[in-house]
Amino acid sequence: RKEVEQDPGPFNVPEGATVAFNCTYSNSASQSFFWYRQDCRKEPKLLMSVYSSGNEDGRFTAQLNRASQYISLLIRDSKLSDSATYLCVVNNQGTYKYIFGTGTRLKVLA
Amino acid sequence: DTAVSQTPKYLVTQMGNDKSIKCEQNLGHDTMYWYKQDSKKFLKIMFSYNNKELIINETVPNRFSPKSPDKAHLNLHINSLELGDSAVYFCASSHGPTAMTDTQYFGPGTRLTVL
Repeated sequence: RKEVEQDPGPFNVPEGATVAFNCTYSNSASQSFFWYRQDCRKEPKLLMSVYSSGNEDGRFTAQLNRASQYISLLIRDSKLSDSATYLCVVNNQGTYKYIFGTGTRLKVLA
Repeated sequence: DTAVSQTPKYLVTQMGNDKSIKCEQNLGHDTMYWYKQDSKKFLKIMFSYNNKELIINETVPNRFSPKSPDKAHLNLHINSLELGDSAVYFCASSHGPTAMTDTQYFGPGTRLTVL
């Protein structure tokens, strides 16, 4: 089993739609969780950290479920500019090792 | 000002050559990383450095030798390049996992093609 797993997609959604991605992780000792966004041929950039209580940033909501070992990302009112690959990142036990998922590709269609 | 910069952006070379990629960050971070992103877009950590000290070496062949002359720089030297080394190499920096918020900032990447 991979340490961090994501559905690669692509998720093709119309503008204005709500879309959700999940990411599962295998190490129950994982402490920090993040969602990064990567545009084609660009570097990854932090979208948001994921806190235990869940957190929201505008149209984006992140949730953590420690019992089931997954994190989720919800995007409301999708924009064309949201088209990108969304990477789930997990840090194990507060170490210097960050494990990236393979990413979920989102295409928002006009 | 670019926060994390890498040079060169593109590198095309023959098998067997030795090449270096340079990385610099001006964010005052203590921790720097090298990642490899292969053709399947999987981003995998190679090395982590904290205050110039090697913390993580993720079973990377010893043909890859990172060097950190100071906290702001982490260079990657690759000996005897092989076809399988073709990938995009990203440098990143952060405050480190003990910080309240540990955002990693990535450089623009170096696209290495080995012929």
